[in-house]
Amino acid sequence: GESVGLHLPTLSVQEGDNSIINCAYSNSASDYFIWYKQESGKGPQFIIDIRSNMDKRQGQRVTVLLNKTVKHLSLQIAATQPGDSAVYFCAENIESNQGGKLIFGQGTELSVKP
Amino acid sequence: DADVTQTPRNRITKTGKRIMLECSQTKGHDRMYWYRQDPGLGLRLIYYSFDVKDINKGEISDGYSVSRQAQAKFSLSLESAIPNQTALYFCATSDWAGGPDTQYFGPGTRLTVL
Repeated sequence: GESVGLHLPTLSVQEGDNSIINCAYSNSASDYFIWYKQESGKGPQFIIDIRSNMDKRQGQRVTVLLNKTVKHLSLQIAATQPGDSAVYFCAENIESNQGGKLIFGQGTELSVKP
Repeated sequence: DADVTQTPRNRITKTGKRIMLECSQTKGHDRMYWYRQDPGLGLRLIYYSFDVKDINKGEISDGYSVSRQAQAKFSLSLESAIPNQTALYFCATSDWAGGPDTQYFGPGTRLTVL
C-alpha cells in the first residue's frame, strides 16, 4: 500500500551545524513531495516542495534532495538555529484529474542544542 | 496560519457526546481538508471537500461526518465521541489550479474524549 515514512523519529544537532532529515516513500506515481515544519502548538507550515522530475531544490537555508531510484528524499537545513527546533514531516502528493492527495510521513523531531 | 482558524482550540468531552469542530478560512480557497494527528502516526486524512458541493471520505472517515456550509467554512462532527478519537485535529485549505496542491493548515484543535 501507499506509505511515507521517516528513518529517524528524533534528531539532535548542535546550533550552527547542518541537519539532514530523511524520508522514504513507496508510491512511484507520486508527482511531487513537500516538507512541512510543525512547531509546538501550531499547525504544519509549508517549507519547500520538489517535483518528481527534479533531483534537487534549494530554498533559504534549506535544500531538498530527491532520489527516485531508491524512493528517498531528504531535507537539509544549513547552519541550524534554535528556531529550527520542530517536527518535520514529508508528504507525497498523488496526482489525479481532480488534483492532489497528500500522504504524510510520521515526522522527525529536530532538537537544536545551543 | 492566521488565515485558517479553528474553534475550539481545546475541548474535553465524555464518551457518547456529539462534538463539532469548526474551521474557517479567509484565503478564498476552494479546497478544504480535515486531518487527525496522533503521536507517531503523522497526519491522517478524515474528509476533504474540493468545493461547496463536494464531500469525499479520506482514509479514516468512520465515526466522523462533515459539512461544507460555505466556501469558507468546513466543520467536522463526531456523532458519538469515543476515547480513541482523542487526538489533535487540523483543518487545511488549498487552491489547486494545476500543478502542486500545497495545503495550508490551521492551528489545530486538541480533543480529549474521556
